[in-house]
Amino acid sequence: DAGVTQSPTHLIKTRGQQVTLRCSPKSGHDTVSWYQQALGQGPQFIFQYYEEEERQRGNFPDRFSGHQFPNYSSELNVNALLLGDSALYLCASSLGDRVEGAFFGQGTRLTVV
Amino acid sequence: GENVEQHPSTLSVQEGDSAVIKCTYSDSASNYFPWYKQELGKRPQLIIDIRSNVGEKKDQRIAVTLNKTAKHFSLHITETQPEDSAVYFCAAVNSNSGYALNFGKGTSLLVTP
Repeated sequence: DAGVTQSPTHLIKTRGQQVTLRCSPKSGHDTVSWYQQALGQGPQFIFQYYEEEERQRGNFPDRFSGHQFPNYSSELNVNALLLGDSALYLCASSLGDRVEGAFFGQGTRLTVV
Repeated sequence: GENVEQHPSTLSVQEGDSAVIKCTYSDSASNYFPWYKQELGKRPQLIIDIRSNVGEKKDQRIAVTLNKTAKHFSLHITETQPEDSAVYFCAAVNSNSGYALNFGKGTSLLVTP
């Protein structure tokens, strides 16, 4: 049973550029949440997608946007990258309108230089 | 919004000893409290969770207790082993109205042989 798959695992971008991160949820899950984890900190909620719509958003600027596809996979887009966007981006999947049992992927390590 | 505080930030114990990590939360409506273990370079892994209608839950060497009145919950690991070394995160959410896990800053646990 495949877990949550994220790609790429690592990438380096230049300040001002745009980046797209991808996530495939755990088999049987239909909800995808994105979190940002700065070094030495707990994950911070960015947003959640369910039925291809953003259901809840955390305290992140509009530079952060997302999408969910009919197969439940999801993308996180970040525009106009700042040095402070350097972090581990985690995707978590769950089932339906439940946050319980959220299953995390290994994350994408983004470095902005 | 919900604010979760976690203590201690680092914890070192000898193999076989017990370890206790404590978290407090601010939103009395929070009703779901998961604990995640994150080993270096790996995904956060759900190890145990508790809902607000339960005061204690055990799973082998791991237990979680919840005090709703005081708004705090704790993770207890007995008979610690070197493979328990990792960063542990607590989280809280009102699953009736929100979908964002609110994480503490984490506790780095080191179990020395």
